[in-house]
Amino acid sequence: GQNIDQPTEMTATEGAIVQINCTYQTSGFNGLFWYQQHAGEAPTFLSYNVLDGLEEKGRFSSFLSRSKGYSYLLLKELQMKDSASYLCAVNYNQGGKLIFGQGTELSVKP
Amino acid sequence: DTEVTQTPKHLVMGMTNKKSLKCEQHMGHRAMYWYKQKAKKPPELMFVYSYEKLSINESVPSRFSPECPNSSLLNLHLHALQPEDSALYLCASSQVRTGNYEQYFGPGTRLTVT
Repeated sequence: GQNIDQPTEMTATEGAIVQINCTYQTSGFNGLFWYQQHAGEAPTFLSYNVLDGLEEKGRFSSFLSRSKGYSYLLLKELQMKDSASYLCAVNYNQGGKLIFGQGTELSVKP
Repeated sequence: DTEVTQTPKHLVMGMTNKKSLKCEQHMGHRAMYWYKQKAKKPPELMFVYSYEKLSINESVPSRFSPECPNSSLLNLHLHALQPEDSALYLCASSQVRTGNYEQYFGPGTRLTVT
């Protein structure tokens, strides 16, 4: 299969740093995306990785290791508005078909 | 304009009704998608259109019928749905090229089948 695994829930404190991990099957890998989804809203694009290494975009960074089938999303200086579901999605060489992980529900506490 | 619009926002329909969901984008994207999302679950791909042609059908029941009348519009025709089809239906679009298939999602239509 093409199982994409990420933790179901995480809790962190406002102002802190949190890392959300994602593992996936490497065969046919053609890129990994992170999306943020607030309850009742559409997913919004956060980052894209296709080569090994770290991509930084403001408070959010995403890392990829293709050989290990591993990615993480790093959120710095957490804000209450960062409470949301974070979805890891992989493109498996099928013309834009994304396979989504189950999502990680992040709760940011004061 | 980086917006994908969907209408209606909410829809309640009976199992014998026929209704349609509509999606529109003006970003020049030539790939458009329908996803179904149940509560606390990730989006599940239903259909992909590439250059107005159906390229992926994820074994979706025939009571869901997609249509792509032109490069900006995507419809999902609904007929004889079941209560378990109640979900958030998301439309997305992207460029069609090798590599980055960043998909832009619309706000969704929340469908309730009674």
